[in-house]
Amino acid sequence: DAGVIQSPRHEVTEMGQEVTLRCKPISGHDYLFWYRQTMMRGLELLIYFNNNVPIDDSGMPEDRFSAKMPNASFSTLKIQPSEPRDSAVYFCASSPLYKRQGLSYNEQFFGPGTRLTVL
Amino acid sequence: GQQLNQSPQSMFIQEGEDVSMNCTSSSIFNTWLWYKQDPGEGPVLLIALYKAGELTSNGRLTAQFGITRKDSFLNISASIPSDVGIYFCGARSNFGNEKLTFGTGTRLTIIP
Repeated sequence: DAGVIQSPRHEVTEMGQEVTLRCKPISGHDYLFWYRQTMMRGLELLIYFNNNVPIDDSGMPEDRFSAKMPNASFSTLKIQPSEPRDSAVYFCASSPLYKRQGLSYNEQFFGPGTRLTVL
Repeated sequence: GQQLNQSPQSMFIQEGEDVSMNCTSSSIFNTWLWYKQDPGEGPVLLIALYKAGELTSNGRLTAQFGITRKDSFLNISASIPSDVGIYFCGARSNFGNEKLTFGTGTRLTIIP
């Protein structure tokens, strides 16, 4: 099976432009997560979906960020307008959820990331 | 909010040495995950732990879920050059809430 697929791998844009990052989760996974990684703040969860429905978006920095999951195999993270402080590596991750003997098992699998540079 | 204190921040070792790193918190967690990240790539899952006291191995890697549920450690035995990278712990507090909190990472460097 292919892993989590993200595109583009690199994006360079100018301040004020709209940026759209794309993610295809692993087929059959129930959950999809968007993270941002910077040297200063490490890995931060932005938002996550369960069965295409946004569950927790408390990590989304501000209204300039939005995420959608129109179907089980595709999600987008949009920044409009972009600012230099948005420069970071953005990761998408997906996980299945299965239960066995009273425990919930969820293991998140990460994509290769999109390195965003806003000039 | 919940925080994971990961240590050490960096390690410089010689090939063949054993490595130990850990994550601690003041909060209780139900799941601990250990990831490795290579430059320019996403984190790759190494080991997942779901029960307090659980000790799990994956080749030369061994990880344990602390009995208090507030900590976890990862050991690497007989390190090799491809072990170089950044190791992250991640933890989940509640079943039904799939959010992971991540540590700040341990950067492993092997000195030739």
